Order: sequence, then C-alpha cells, then structure tokens
Amino acid sequence: RKEVEQDPGPFNVPEGATVAFNCTYSNSASQSFFWYRQDCRKEPKLLMSVYSSGNEDGRFTAQLNRASQYISLLIRDSKLSDSATYLCVVNSAISGGGADGLTFGKGTHLIIQP
Amino acid sequence: NAGVTQTPKFRILKIGQSMTLQCTQDMNHNYMYWYRQDPGMGLKLIYYSVGAGITDKGEVPNGYNVSRSTTEDFPLRLELAAPSQTSVYFCASRPLNRVSGYGYTFGSGTRLTVV
Repeated sequence: RKEVEQDPGPFNVPEGATVAFNCTYSNSASQSFFWYRQDCRKEPKLLMSVYSSGNEDGRFTAQLNRASQYISLLIRDSKLSDSATYLCVVNSAISGGGADGLTFGKGTHLIIQP
Repeated sequence: NAGVTQTPKFRILKIGQSMTLQCTQDMNHNYMYWYRQDPGMGLKLIYYSVGAGITDKGEVPNGYNVSRSTTEDFPLRLELAAPSQTSVYFCASRPLNRVSGYGYTFGSGTRLTVV
C-alpha cells in the first residue's frame, strides 16, 4: 500500500493556466503536511506547508482535508518557471523507531508551455 | 553557513566495490537523515539519527550502514555495491526544537551509478 499517492503526470499546461494537484496519504496519524518542489537533478525544496484551514502564498494555494486524508495544491496564472516536479510530503512517526520523518510521494511533473 | 554538504556529487562504482557517501552539516542539527531517490520515484528513507551515537533503520536499510560519531557528520557506507543501489542519495538535517516536519535542510545529493 502506497503511503503517499499523487496524481500521475506529466501535466502539460499553457502559461497562464491554473493547474491543480491532488494527493492522498494512508497514515491517519500523520502530523504535518507539505508540498515540496524539485527541479531536475536537484534537491527537494519546501514550497509550502499545508493546513486544514487552507493557506495561500501568492499564486499557490494548499488545502488539507484530514477526514479524507487528502491534500491539494492549486497554482494560478502559471509561469514557465513553475515547471518542476511537485512532491506531496507528510511527516509521521517512523515505524519501529523513536523519531519522526518525512514520507514522500512519487511527485507530479509539471511542464508549463509558452 | 554552508548548510548540508554532500560529497562526492557523482560517482561510478563497479559491482562489489565499497564506498562512503559523506554528509556534513554546520547548523548543529540533532536529526540527520539519508534518503535515496530512484528515477521517477519519491525519496525513501534509508537511515536516520537523532543525535551523536544514535542511529536507526528507515524504510530501505539493506545494503547500507551508517555511523554518527559527531553531531556534524553522518556518513553512509555501501559495502558491496549492487546495480540496485544506482540512485540519487540525499542527506538532510533538522533541528530538535522545531515542530515535527519543519526545518529540514537537504544536501544537493550524490548521484551514484553501479555498473
């Protein structure tokens, strides 16, 4: 069973379009939720945290539904520079261990076309 | 601050060879992690450490070993390299006094090919 599952990609959208990504997670005890961005051959970088109340950062809006174990990311007025892979990430206790850690989805590749 | 530094950036190994991937952080973070990322996949946790002298297995520890003799360093050892270990390896750290999931810093990765 996949712990964090994301929409399959790639998403090819024209510049200026709105694009939405969805993600589900299986561990109901997960504590915190994030979207990371990863550029080709680079390390993942935090894009934004995700809260039940919904949160917005410029053109980006993230939403968490704990009851459905569902996370979303909306990108408005997409730019060429938004082309990247977007990783859905949850933080939860590491099985059998005494600490917590991040669990990553496979990522969704976004290509913004001019 | 340099953050999290990984060396080498690239390496080609022959089957059966061994090597150590180095990871150093200068932020005095307690927690350190090793992840691997296969093509088209998310990152998977190999090993982690909550402080000097303490290490524990993650999701995919087989074929790897780690040590944490200092707060700064968390090397990952491959004893008998296999083609299945071809991957990109990321080291990460985070401080103890942050809400769970926050404050992670990732290194730029080591791209390893086993032939």
